[in-house]
Amino acid sequence: DIQMTQSPSSVSASVGDRLTINCRASETIYNYVSWYQQKPGKAPSLLIYYASYLQRGVPSRFSGSGSGTDFTLTISSLQPEDFATYYCQQTYSALRTFGQGTKVEIK
Amino acid sequence: EVQMVESGGGLVQPGRSLRLSCAGSGFTFGDYTMHWVRQAPGKGLEWVSGISWNSGRIDYADSVKGRFTVSRDNAKNSLYLQMSSLRPEDTAFYHCAKDVSPFCSGGSCYGSDYWGKGTLVTVSS
Repeated sequence: DIQMTQSPSSVSASVGDRLTINCRASETIYNYVSWYQQKPGKAPSLLIYYASYLQRGVPSRFSGSGSGTDFTLTISSLQPEDFATYYCQQTYSALRTFGQGTKVEIK
Repeated sequence: EVQMVESGGGLVQPGRSLRLSCAGSGFTFGDYTMHWVRQAPGKGLEWVSGISWNSGRIDYADSVKGRFTVSRDNAKNSLYLQMSSLRPEDTAFYHCAKDVSPFCSGGSCYGSDYWGKGTLVTVSS
């Protein structure tokens, strides 16, 4: 199975900060990575698919980049509603594994 | 409006069985691969199973292979997960999720754009 390793596992940041979250695949997945945001008690919400495609309705401060094995989710200017947990997922393999998550907390 | 609503969760003893359902609406259910994803309380997301739009391709995580069976009834816009030989480590919220693009199955697809709120399965004696 393809393993997805996210870093950091948690981060403290302030409103207005630029934030990057990284995800590394154990083998090449080309551009087949998606990013999700999850708030407590809620279902995950798709932010980015195919590495850099912004899901409809997602604010443009979210962006994704990378290909092959290394990927990045960037939030250009953190807003209060962005404090949540973020997950990457590879969709190259039929067994669609997730990263372990990155919790973004208020500093 | 796209909606998915899961049902069938509850408290079950180890070794017993349980069947989950997911009702989809607001989209052409029969065109999309559907997935089950679970999340143990306080833990991360774990992909469990996927079934293609026509049930022609079915995949399982190693952790549930041989114990769980996914199926769908497109006439009823419904997805199912039959869980048997349940273990305490199967305790989790179980979400159903819809693929972004129609008629994509297996690998080289995009993510899941709509998710249900989940149903809680607790495996305990």
